[in-house]
Amino acid sequence: QSALTQPASVSGSPGQSITISCTGASSDVGTYNAVSWYQQHPGKAPKLMIYEGSKRPSGVSNRFSGSKSGNTASLTISGLQAEDEADYYCCSYAGSIFGGGTKLTVL
Amino acid sequence: QVQLVESGGGVVLPGRSLRLSCAASGFTFSNYAMHWVRQAPGKGLEWVAIMSYDGSYKDYAESVKGRFTISRDNSKNTLYLQMKSLRPEDTAVYYCAREDSASYSYWGQGTLVTVSS
Repeated sequence: QSALTQPASVSGSPGQSITISCTGASSDVGTYNAVSWYQQHPGKAPKLMIYEGSKRPSGVSNRFSGSKSGNTASLTISGLQAEDEADYYCCSYAGSIFGGGTKLTVL
Repeated sequence: QVQLVESGGGVVLPGRSLRLSCAASGFTFSNYAMHWVRQAPGKGLEWVAIMSYDGSYKDYAESVKGRFTISRDNSKNTLYLQMKSLRPEDTAVYYCAREDSASYSYWGQGTLVTVSS
């Protein structure tokens, strides 16, 4: 299976909102509510931010939210902060496939 | 608190073998499926293998099938990845991760495997 499709980069100013898309197929993103999102700072391990499409683990800021429409999942970060600058990966548990990653730059 | 600590990485010649370990603490290891995920230098994440909580089910990415073997010892709270016939393209940081609700809820710090002559 091919990797899920994410934009290579997105950017936003502090306080703004950004959305990262993650496009898959009807056999993975489209069928199952099993998309998760991970944040990774340079040199660090990934951190789970969203699971089952829209649920936040304990301790994750409510500025992070997830949604899905058809074969595309999305991660929205509102009220951007400097510490949000990182790489973000989506993942479909169905098929065990990750997206290529999106580098978020906070201007 | 949940901790996952990988070890066993290093520099290895192509064609040789290496075994990675992941020591778990802070939770009941035998209740959870566990995964290995890797990340080549400057690249994205790639799922490698899964083992069910009791070891009865395992699966692998096509890129490692037949060369890598996942196993676990629930009495030692440890997950393993035996890697054989290593190739330069296996060079990566290898993470172990705990599965929760179809996601990877906790990750170790990773161990670097470099396959080079």
